[in-house]
Amino acid sequence: AQSVSQHNHHVILSEAASLELGCNYSYGGTVNLFWYVQYPGQHLQLLLKYFSGDPLVKGIKGFEAEFIKSKFSFNLRKPSVQWSDTAEYFCAVMPYGGATNKLIFGTGTLLAVQP
Amino acid sequence: DVKVTQSSRYLVKRTGEKVFLECVQDMDHENMFWYRQDPGLGLRLIYFSYDVKMKEKGDIPEGYSVSREKKERFSLILESASTNQTSMYLCASSPRQERYGYTFGSGTRLTVV
Repeated sequence: AQSVSQHNHHVILSEAASLELGCNYSYGGTVNLFWYVQYPGQHLQLLLKYFSGDPLVKGIKGFEAEFIKSKFSFNLRKPSVQWSDTAEYFCAVMPYGGATNKLIFGTGTLLAVQP
Repeated sequence: DVKVTQSSRYLVKRTGEKVFLECVQDMDHENMFWYRQDPGLGLRLIYFSYDVKMKEKGDIPEGYSVSREKKERFSLILESASTNQTSMYLCASSPRQERYGYTFGSGTRLTVV
């Protein structure tokens, strides 16, 4: 079965530290990849997405993610985090070519940034 | 601004009650989805619909049913609410094309007592 793994469940960083959140998926075919963010009390928002082309994708608020096909990974990065980045982050995979574009989500990573 | 609107932000129901969660989107999207979000488990797909009157089971459909009589509205029904259905319920919609992600509603936090 298709699945998405986010190995970091809780991450605590100080402001200005660099961030990398891991995401691995299990699916042998072509995929579309997404990172969503949920700020406290708010709805899920799209952070960035990858469909094809340059494997390094830039999103909103200084986030980026790199698709490494050989590792089935799509890790999220940010060079310098801010207190306002405190949120829960979800990686999601959409297998390409299905009848319906179902998103499969990881279990999420809670990021707490200390001022 | 495009929107997915869930009718209730917070809901408290008694065990055994029939519960309706409503979701409306104004983007003319073909696909609509219901997820539940639980700490440590992420988002799990309950049901989805790719067209009016069409529905398919997701990963955890037990205890739930859905209705889609109009394109813009997708209802989740808990036939007989139980305490293990206490959760955050998220509705989402998307166009039929695969290259787009979902637009999510703000969620309904359901507590079953």
